[in-house]
Amino acid sequence: EPEVTQTPSHQVTQMGQEVILRCVPISNHLYFYWYRQILGQKVEFLVSFYNNEISEKSEIFDDQFSVERPDGSNFTLKIRSTKLEDSAMYFCASSAGTHRRDTQYFGPGTRLTVL
Amino acid sequence: GENVEQHPSTLSVQEGDSAVIKCTYSDSASNYFPWYKQELGKRPQLIIDIRSNVGEKKDQRIAVTLNKTAKHFSLHITETQPEDSAVYFCAAKTPYGNNRLAFGKGNQVVVIP
Repeated sequence: EPEVTQTPSHQVTQMGQEVILRCVPISNHLYFYWYRQILGQKVEFLVSFYNNEISEKSEIFDDQFSVERPDGSNFTLKIRSTKLEDSAMYFCASSAGTHRRDTQYFGPGTRLTVL
Repeated sequence: GENVEQHPSTLSVQEGDSAVIKCTYSDSASNYFPWYKQELGKRPQLIIDIRSNVGEKKDQRIAVTLNKTAKHFSLHITETQPEDSAVYFCAAKTPYGNNRLAFGKGNQVVVIP
């Protein structure tokens, strides 16, 4: 069964550095998402992406964040200048088109640690 | 925006007993309610979902019930087994916006053999 994959599984970075988190959504899916979970807190929506553009973003998704689908398979989340509070588990998800777009399938996550 | 609360935070049950986890939501317009199971170190796996035009849905030992009047939905696991031990997340989606899921905080379910 196809799955969403994410790399790396764990990323350690220094405050102020740029990081890029990578995701490969399920191949025939059309909607892509990023969520994050700070330790001990809820999973929070960051952004959704459809038809090569952002379709919705949360208040968390400020100018430090950007997303890109650089080719037909990858979906990336970039944090330009990381802060300590960006330390979290970042989940990528994808869903199919039309009436099945509700159902989101999650990747295994990237644990980002900002020192 | 939508706010989802989950109770209890931790639930211990004896193997073979039933487990029930309840979630409440704030936006009466929410129309889609998935449940995810996350085992330690693994991805959240969708286990069951329900739409607002249905009151109950069952899949083998797992069922979800929805009470739109009270704005709560519950996950029921019958005949629990040790492999049911995991964190369970509920979520809700409103019809406006673009598929944003609002999650609860998660329940740790421990099945005691």
